[in-house]
Amino acid sequence: QVQLQESGPGLVKSSETLSLTCAVSGGSISSSSHYWVWIRQPPGKGLEWIGSIYHSGSTLYNTSLTSRSTISIDMSKNQFSLKVTSVTAADTAVYYCARHSIIMLREAGLDYWGQGTLVTVSS
Amino acid sequence: DIQMTQSPSSLSASVGDRVTITCRASQTISDYLNWYQQKPGKAPKLLIYAASSLHSGVPSRFSGSGSGTDFTLTINSLQLEDFATYYCQQSFSAPAYSFGQGTKLDIK
Repeated sequence: QVQLQESGPGLVKSSETLSLTCAVSGGSISSSSHYWVWIRQPPGKGLEWIGSIYHSGSTLYNTSLTSRSTISIDMSKNQFSLKVTSVTAADTAVYYCARHSIIMLREAGLDYWGQGTLVTVSS
Repeated sequence: DIQMTQSPSSLSASVGDRVTITCRASQTISDYLNWYQQKPGKAPKLLIYAASSLHSGVPSRFSGSGSGTDFTLTINSLQLEDFATYYCQQSFSAPAYSFGQGTKLDIK
């Protein structure tokens, strides 16, 4: 059974860098059938796609966050990471990592998610 | 960027009811549409992918339809565990596979 687990500080000061890691177990992060994704959800609000990474290291970012976000992958540790620089209160959210599957060359949704981790930006 | 709009934003129903939630894309997305269920304090769960394909382990009372810009999620014979918030998501246009704003389904 595939499992994803987010880890990182729950409190980040305004203007500093948010750093999170997602450890993947029960499956290989080097799989060619999956992308690895970060999504966030501000308290009481909807879901926002942050970005994705493929095992090749190829990344895509939401245009609203592209200048501040970096996603990286560490295949030796079977994990991937997110950094968001210059954070403000608007970056306070539950951050989820997830697996995006490709089935027979078709997008097949985010089929596994981490439990989520709340990151609060303090002034 | 593609905007996804769900209706209604909230919905009250009773156990045993049939419920339909609609999702509209701001441009055509073929059938690249996924549906998720989220309960309070939990991560979303995938229900439907490619507009109408049921994800493994999801009860058959859930179904999806549509293509182009208009899509529906139908829940037949609502169960107590189905009261949750539902999100649609387009996976047609990168870089951001955007979500709808959510539909909260609660007990009447």
